[in-house]
Amino acid sequence: QVQLQESGPGLVKPSGTLSLTCAVSGGSISSTNWWSWVRQPPGKGLEWIGEISHSGITDYNPSLKSRVTISVDKSKNQFSLKLSSVTAADTAVYYCARVGLGLSAASDYWGQGTLVTVSS
Amino acid sequence: DIQMTQSPSSLSASVGDRVTITCRASQGISNYLAWYQQKPGKAPKLLIYAASTLQSGVPSRFSGSRSGTEFTLTISSLQPEDVATYYCQKYNIAPRSFGGGTNVEIK
Repeated sequence: QVQLQESGPGLVKPSGTLSLTCAVSGGSISSTNWWSWVRQPPGKGLEWIGEISHSGITDYNPSLKSRVTISVDKSKNQFSLKLSSVTAADTAVYYCARVGLGLSAASDYWGQGTLVTVSS
Repeated sequence: DIQMTQSPSSLSASVGDRVTITCRASQGISNYLAWYQQKPGKAPKLLIYAASTLQSGVPSRFSGSRSGTEFTLTISSLQPEDVATYYCQKYNIAPRSFGGGTNVEIK
């Protein structure tokens, strides 16, 4: 059973950089799956941030592309999210998820989510 | 970018009712459409992928269908545990955007 767990600071100052890590257990991040980040502002809907393959190929949401970096660390079986120049609008619950392949490329395993608040 | 328009934004139905939620893509996405259920304070849960394939372990009262660029999630007999927000997501190409969500309540 694949499990994902987000970790990182719950509070980030405006103009700072949000950094989160997603640890994968019960499966290898070097598999053919992709790995994604999704966020949800309080009381609002889901927003796809981006994703990465085991080989480091990335796709980002155009609305966030200039501020987002997703990377993978195979040695630690984890992947990470960095979002720069944050504002209060970036306050959200951040989820990591596993993405399937081809027509099965929906997100079948999710972390529990971690709330990140942007505030001074 | 392809836009996903989900409707209704909320609905209230009685236990045992048949419930239908619709998601329309602004362009063709073939069958690259998933449905998720999200309960308060929890991560989304995959219900259906490839427009109509039921994820393992999901009750058979959930079903999905496609007609052109319109996709439908149907709950054949609404149960109390189905109270949640439901989202569609297109995943043919990036950005893998979500619909706006449908909040389902019991009347």
